[in-house]
Amino acid sequence: DTAVSQTPKYLVTQMGNDKSIKCEQNLGHDTMYWYKQDSKKFLKIMFSYNNKELIINETVPNRFSPKSPDKAHLNLHINSLELGDSAVYFCASSQVRGLETQYFGPGTRLLVL
Amino acid sequence: AQSVTQLGSHVSVSEGALVLLRCNYSSSVPPYLFWYVQYPNQGLQLLLKYTSAATLVKGINGFEAEFKKSETSFHLTKPSAHMSDAAEYFCAVSATGNQFYFGTGTSLTVIP
Repeated sequence: DTAVSQTPKYLVTQMGNDKSIKCEQNLGHDTMYWYKQDSKKFLKIMFSYNNKELIINETVPNRFSPKSPDKAHLNLHINSLELGDSAVYFCASSQVRGLETQYFGPGTRLLVL
Repeated sequence: AQSVTQLGSHVSVSEGALVLLRCNYSSSVPPYLFWYVQYPNQGLQLLLKYTSAATLVKGINGFEAEFKKSETSFHLTKPSAHMSDAAEYFCAVSATGNQFYFGTGTSLTVIP
C-alpha cells in the first residue's frame, strides 16, 4: 500500500484557472506538509499542518490554501494560476512536526500554460 | 534558526569509486539531521537520519554519514558507487520541531 499518495500525478492547465491537488496518507501521522520543488530541484516548504496548527511559509502567495477534511488528507487549492506556479508539488507526512522522518508522496507535476 | 549548506550542486564519480556528498549545518540547538534521495520523477526517500545517538549513522543502500559537531558537518559517504545511485541527494536539518530545512541538493552522476 502506498504510504503517501497524491492525485493527479500530472496537471496541465491554463493561466487564471483554479485547481486542486489531493494528498492522502495511511500512516496514521499527525502532521502533513506541502512542498514546492522548482526546476532547479530546490525544495521549499509551503505549509505544515496538524489538527492543532497551520504554519504557513510567509513567502507563499495567498492564492495557495491547504484544506484538511480529516487527519489523513491535506489538499492544496490554488486560485488564479500563474506561469510561475509551474513546479512539482510534494505532499509529506510525519508523526510529529519537524523532528521525525517525513514520508513523501510521488509528487504532482503542474504545468501552467 | 537552522539551515544546511550542500557543497557541490553536481558530483560525478566513476562506478566503484567512493561517493562523498557534503553537508554543513547551522543550528543553535542540537539538531536532527537527515539525508534524503530523490530518483528521477519520484518523491524523496529517507536514506538515513541522525537523532543524537551514535555519531556514525548507517542507512539504506550502503550509505552512511558521520555527525561531526566540531565541524558542523554531516557528510554522506558510500565506499563504492553503483550506477543505481545516480539521483538527487538532499540534506535536511530540524531542531525546533516546527520545520525541516532542506539543502539545495546535490546531483550525483555515476560514470560507467
